Parts: sequence; C-alpha cells; structure tokens
Amino acid sequence: DAGVTQSPTHLIKTRGQQVTLRCSPKSGHDTVSWYQQALGQGPQFIFQYYEEEERQRGNFPDRFSGHQFPNYSSELNVNALLLGDSALYLCASSLGGLAGGEQFFGPGTRLTVL
Amino acid sequence: AQKITQTQPGMFVQEKEAVTLDCTYDTSDPSYGLFWYKQPSSGEMIFLIYQGSYDQQNATEGRYSLNFQKARKSANLVISASQLGDSAMYFCAMSPRGGGKLIFGQGTELSVKP
Repeated sequence: DAGVTQSPTHLIKTRGQQVTLRCSPKSGHDTVSWYQQALGQGPQFIFQYYEEEERQRGNFPDRFSGHQFPNYSSELNVNALLLGDSALYLCASSLGGLAGGEQFFGPGTRLTVL
Repeated sequence: AQKITQTQPGMFVQEKEAVTLDCTYDTSDPSYGLFWYKQPSSGEMIFLIYQGSYDQQNATEGRYSLNFQKARKSANLVISASQLGDSAMYFCAMSPRGGGKLIFGQGTELSVKP
C-alpha cells in the first residue's frame, strides 16, 4: 500500500524564481491538501484539491497556485519566490473532500530560497 | 476564530513513564475533529489519534489516548509507557466538520530520557 509521496525532497531556488512541487496521494485517496511549515512552527494550510478543483484555501497570496490531475496527483506552484517562502511543504491526502477525515502526510519538500 | 493552543514548547519524560501533552482549542462550529500528529526530525507528519466532537468516549490507539473534555475545550494526548522512539515534535490539530483544512498548534517537543 503506497503512502503519500512527494518530489523533490529538497530544492534550492533564488528570489523571483518559480517552483513546482509534486504530490501523489495514498492509494485510494482522492483529496490532496498542501501545507507550509516554517521552521519552528506548526503547518499552515495552503489549499485543498478535490475532483480537480480547489475546494478550500488558506490565507496565502495568489502567487501560490495548484492543480490536481485526473489520477488525483497534485502540483503546488509558487511564483516570484520570496525569502519567506523557505519552508517545508507538506502534502496530505484523504478521502472525500471536505467531508473526509484523517489526512495522511507525505515526507515533505524542503524549499530554500536564497 | 478557530485556534489551537499548545502551551508546552518542550517536555521531558523518563522512559517507561506516562506523559500528557496539553492542547486547547477554540471554535464555534458544533462539529469538528481533533487530531494528534507526531513529527520526527525527518519531517513526516505521522497520524496518531482522532477524536470527533460528537464521540462520547475518549479515543485510544495503542499507547496513545486522547483526554477529551468538551466543556473545557481541551484535547490532551496521553502517551503511556514512553519509549525512546517517542522523542519528536507533537502537534495537535483541529478540522472543522472533520474534513477540510487542518489547523495546527505550535507543537510540543517531547524528549524521552533513558
């Protein structure tokens, strides 16, 4: 039973660049949520995708966008990177969109912006 | 506003003893879910236990139990018979309606001493 996978593991970018992070949900799950975790903080919700649509969004600027594919995998795109975007980006999968329950997390992508 | 508060930045416990990690929450939603996650230094968030707001009994999962006191809006995690492998960050989280976004606390770093 494959768990949640994320790629890449680590990434280094410079200010102003764009980045794409990828996530494959746990087998059988149809919902993907993205979180940003700054050093020493709890994760902050970015958005959730279900049925290929953004269903819920946290307090993040439009520079953060996403996509969900028919196979339920998802991408997180961040444009015009800022130093403050340096963080661990976590993907979580679940079943049933907003009515779903327990979320399973992937290992994360650590993004460093120089 | 929905909020999770974890007031213990760090905790120490002796191996084989029990430890309680505190969590209080604030929400006006009648239906919500409460979660505890463990995050080792590797970064992956590991689901531990879930309590629904309408559940009559406290949730238990092996050595983990959740002391749910709805009137006090608290959801403390109790770990019995601590093991060295329990050393990690522990996050309390809440999800309105049980699905959708997770709102995390700041976390408690637990250190288990041999």
